[in-house]
Amino acid sequence: QKEVEQNSGPLSVPEGAIASLNCTYSDRGSQSFFWYRQYSGKSPELIMSIYSNGDKEDGRFTAQLNKASQYVSLLIRDSQPSDSATYLCAVNILGTDKLIFGTGTRLQVFP
Amino acid sequence: SAVISQKPSRDICQRGTSLTIQCQVDSQVTMMFWYRQQPGQSLTLIATANQGSEATYESGFVIDKFPISRPNLTFSTLTVSNMSPEDSSIYLCSVAQSTGTHEAFFGQGTRLTVV
Repeated sequence: QKEVEQNSGPLSVPEGAIASLNCTYSDRGSQSFFWYRQYSGKSPELIMSIYSNGDKEDGRFTAQLNKASQYVSLLIRDSQPSDSATYLCAVNILGTDKLIFGTGTRLQVFP
Repeated sequence: SAVISQKPSRDICQRGTSLTIQCQVDSQVTMMFWYRQQPGQSLTLIATANQGSEATYESGFVIDKFPISRPNLTFSTLTVSNMSPEDSSIYLCSVAQSTGTHEAFFGQGTRLTVV
């Protein structure tokens, strides 16, 4: 059974701080990893993709991947109240276009 | 990314009835997916819809309950049949970019309440 694990939170951080969201996955063969943001009542929105070990930066977002440890993380710098949402980690099932989603981490950024 | 239009956006249905959800994409895509998101839960894949072939269902989901059509490369429907309150959920259509990146994009979702 392929699994993706996330802490459900909520993770509360003050405005301007760095929010760190973590995800582990069970399938060692996975090669493609994604972070989605989902606002309450809305559908998931892709914010980061990462395929290689190391860091990938896009604006205030940095995704980190460590395949040896089967670990993916998302850092949000200078967190804003508008970043308050549920962040879903997703992992591609090798050989398919299917994604397995974690349960999501709810992030709350307070002023 | 593709623009995905899903309708209806929400509906309240009587138990025992069926609802068909439509998903329209503004470009041709090979793979379309249907997900369910139950209240407070993450996304669970129901099935993969390929044009010109039967949908492939995930464990726990069957064609009689969730029949899917995929008549062309831009459109798909999901029917939730013989509904019960346990079917109350958000249903999401998703497409994968045909670029090998495995990135997936979602429609707006259909919030279904069965009473």
